Amino acid sequence: DVKVTQSSRYLVKRTGEKVFLECVQDMDHENMFWYRQDPGLGLRLIYFSYDVKMKEKGDIPEGYSVSREKKERFSLILESASTNQTSMYLCASSSPRASGSEEQFFGPGTRLTVL
Amino acid sequence: QKEVEQNSGPLSVPEGAIASLNCTYSDRGSQSFFWYRQYSGKSPELIMSIYSNGDKEDGRFTAQLNKASQYVSLLIRDSQPSDSATYLCAVTPSGGYQKVTFGTGTKLQVIP
Repeated sequence: DVKVTQSSRYLVKRTGEKVFLECVQDMDHENMFWYRQDPGLGLRLIYFSYDVKMKEKGDIPEGYSVSREKKERFSLILESASTNQTSMYLCASSSPRASGSEEQFFGPGTRLTVL
Repeated sequence: QKEVEQNSGPLSVPEGAIASLNCTYSDRGSQSFFWYRQYSGKSPELIMSIYSNGDKEDGRFTAQLNKASQYVSLLIRDSQPSDSATYLCAVTPSGGYQKVTFGTGTKLQVIP
């Protein structure tokens, strides 16, 4: 059974704290993604990675960074958390396809609250 | 213009009816199309993928793709209360990248 896991389901942090969200997949997928999901705005891509140590900015990368040191692990870092980063964060993984993307498998999500 | 557009709903249908969910996209070169279902408080899960024009059926679900009209739809036959969820349309843009763009989703309510 394929699996994407995230380090926390719920997280509460203070403004200015450095926050680490971790994601691990056991499917040997090349591609990994970080999204945030907010009511009315849908899923928005923050960063993605198509290989170890490779990363690409998504649609809303400001205030975030990522790290992919191993194929199965993709970390999202909030260097200095702010209240507007309160959101649901979803990690996903997929394998590449000859023409476009293969379907993505999502983790359970981390609901982050920044006070 | 949004890259992937969906009516936010809610779309209400009686139990046993056909639910029709629609999605339009702006990138004419898009290659891959997906429908995800997301229950409240849960993460999205893939229910259908379609890559060529026409219909694709899987149980009670049928995905329809019309690249000329830049339109993809999902039909749910014999709708059940357990189908009540938000349905997300996702499209892979042209350019060979592996990412997808998601619509904001349509909330479906199946009334018993």
